[in-house]
Amino acid sequence: AQTVTQSQPEMSVQEAETVTLSCTYDTSENNYYLFWYKQPPSRQMILVIRQEAYKQQNATENRFSVNFQKAAKSFSLKISDSQLGDTAMYFCAFMNPPNFGNEKLTFGTGTRLTIIP
Amino acid sequence: DVKVTQSSRYLVKRTGEKVFLECVQDMDHENMFWYRQDPGLGLRLIYFSYDVKMKEKGDIPEGYSVSREKKERFSLILESASTNQTSMYLCASSFPSSVRRRRNTEAFFGQGTRLTVV
Repeated sequence: AQTVTQSQPEMSVQEAETVTLSCTYDTSENNYYLFWYKQPPSRQMILVIRQEAYKQQNATENRFSVNFQKAAKSFSLKISDSQLGDTAMYFCAFMNPPNFGNEKLTFGTGTRLTIIP
Repeated sequence: DVKVTQSSRYLVKRTGEKVFLECVQDMDHENMFWYRQDPGLGLRLIYFSYDVKMKEKGDIPEGYSVSREKKERFSLILESASTNQTSMYLCASSFPSSVRRRRNTEAFFGQGTRLTVV
């Protein structure tokens, strides 16, 4: 079974600084999807960024980027120029490869990120 | 915008009651999921469904059942609620990633139901 590990339960950083959240996973598959989700105090889970394992290029979305190291099974999230609205719980998630009926998302335990004014 | 709607935001039930949590999505997604979220444990999958009337057990199915009679609706049932089922429950839906031309393989979530069993 796939597992996703987030080793940082809590982090805090000053506004405008850069912060990196770590995530490692374990799988024997070669083609899969990885995601970072954000859950603010409103509880609504929001997709931050997506990475497809067969793509070598790291995904970026504005201030958010990932460092995807497939061999090391590592998928870290970098938030640049952090803003107060980035305060949230962040979850790393793994999706099985395309295989009808076997596409569950497996989540890590989350990192609570606080941006300090 | 994709919308995943859960029937209740907060719910309080008594031990032994049969509890229904409803989830409806409006994006014609084939996949639907039920998770529970507990502090320090992240999101754990209870059940998922990849088509009408199809269901698969997740990691923690004990004490739960599900129903998917229509594509847009996925219900989670607590047959006899117990205090250890007090938790946040999240519903999600997605397209199957086997649909190659679609970019949106991510799951979209409802706003969550905080269930308290007393």
